[in-house]
Amino acid sequence: DAGITQSPRHKVTETGTPVTLRCHQTENHRYMYWYRQDPGHGLRLIHYSYGVKDTDKGEVSDGYSVSRSKTEDFLLTLESATSSQTSVYFCAISRTQETQYFGPGTRLLVL
Amino acid sequence: AQTVTQSQPEMSVQEAETVTLSCTYDTSENNYYLFWYKQPPSRQMILVIRQEAYKQQNATENRFSVNFQKAAKSFSLKISDSQLGDTAMYFCAFMKPSFTSGTYKYIFGTGTRLKVLA
Repeated sequence: DAGITQSPRHKVTETGTPVTLRCHQTENHRYMYWYRQDPGHGLRLIHYSYGVKDTDKGEVSDGYSVSRSKTEDFLLTLESATSSQTSVYFCAISRTQETQYFGPGTRLLVL
Repeated sequence: AQTVTQSQPEMSVQEAETVTLSCTYDTSENNYYLFWYKQPPSRQMILVIRQEAYKQQNATENRFSVNFQKAAKSFSLKISDSQLGDTAMYFCAFMKPSFTSGTYKYIFGTGTRLKVLA
């Protein structure tokens, strides 16, 4: 298995509070991705990174920001959580045109 | 924009039988990749099989094989000798390399829930 961990694995928070999810890899892969998974939508890309401090938006980026200050860590921040951001969040990594490998996911509930 | 369609929300198959999951996609690109991922109840996303569009030969991984029809934009997954452990959600995904940013973004279908019956 690819060395990808996500923290926390589960989180319950209240509307309006900031939340940060962390993705950590030990593979030294250049590319990292954040997805959200919702019923009826499959996985949708939020943000991605193609290098340290190099990030870009995906298809559902509104309400989310990311940062990547070092190769191994990719942080996803919900500045002010809303109930519509209740979801399962997956991090993924890839080397070049290689397959994306996924982390175990984080279940986030916004009350 | 590329889209991926999985028209079978749920399917079931008897243990040891063969089942085929369908996936169609829409793209004007010629160079791309297609994937099938499995998501068991543990929620871990596991790569099942991958196909490069420039390869005419269908990919095979043990009991899993694909029927890739490029002109028809179809990419079905066949599972032979189905096992109880194959029970999972299966996602089809399309990926087109972006040479401007060097990134490789996936577009996923909505998934097919497969249940293998004992």
